[in-house]
Amino acid sequence: QKEVEQDPGPLSVPEGAIVSLNCTYSNSAFQYFMWYRQYSRKGPELLMYTYSSGNKEDGRFTAQVDKSSKYISLFIRDSQPSDSATYLCAMSAWTGGSYIPTFGRGTSLIVHP
Amino acid sequence: DSGVTQTPKHLITATGQRVTLRCSPRSGDLSVYWYQQSLDQGLQFLIQYYNGEERAKGNILERFSAQQFPDLHSELNLSSLELGDSALYFCASSVTRETDTQYFGPGTRLTVL
Repeated sequence: QKEVEQDPGPLSVPEGAIVSLNCTYSNSAFQYFMWYRQYSRKGPELLMYTYSSGNKEDGRFTAQVDKSSKYISLFIRDSQPSDSATYLCAMSAWTGGSYIPTFGRGTSLIVHP
Repeated sequence: DSGVTQTPKHLITATGQRVTLRCSPRSGDLSVYWYQQSLDQGLQFLIQYYNGEERAKGNILERFSAQQFPDLHSELNLSSLELGDSALYFCASSVTRETDTQYFGPGTRLTVL
């Protein structure tokens, strides 16, 4: 079993839909939880970063962490074609020298007009 | 544009060869991270340097090595290349040792023939 599980998709939705992206994890030592967006042939871009359980909102994006269930989600409201990308969840644990992230495989999202 | 630069953008070489990938972090960032992204393994952490010192190691092969220079740029050296080393190699930088705000470069696409 991988430490971080993420459905690769693709997930296809119409413009304006609410998108829900999810990851589960098995390592209780994970302390920081992140979501990255990666466009084709580009580097990942940090979207959201959370530490504790609960919700964090930034514009059309909401990140949700449930440490008791080892489950994190990213919600995108009013999705746009420009949101079409691969979304990577990541979570990090202290290694003794630094916090190092473990990434999910990514979910491919397609928002069609 | 994240402010992180990587050269070259593309590299095509043969098995058994050695290559060097270069990364310049954002101005003021002391931490540099190297990642490998392949279709079958996803985004994997290789190694981190902070202000010239190695801070954390991930699943980096013994054939691979890295260093961070006094001007904070970093190089990733890959030797005795195998077909399976073909991948996208990303560099990321952050101000601190943590991964809260990590900026990724555009990547170097390595093809080993």
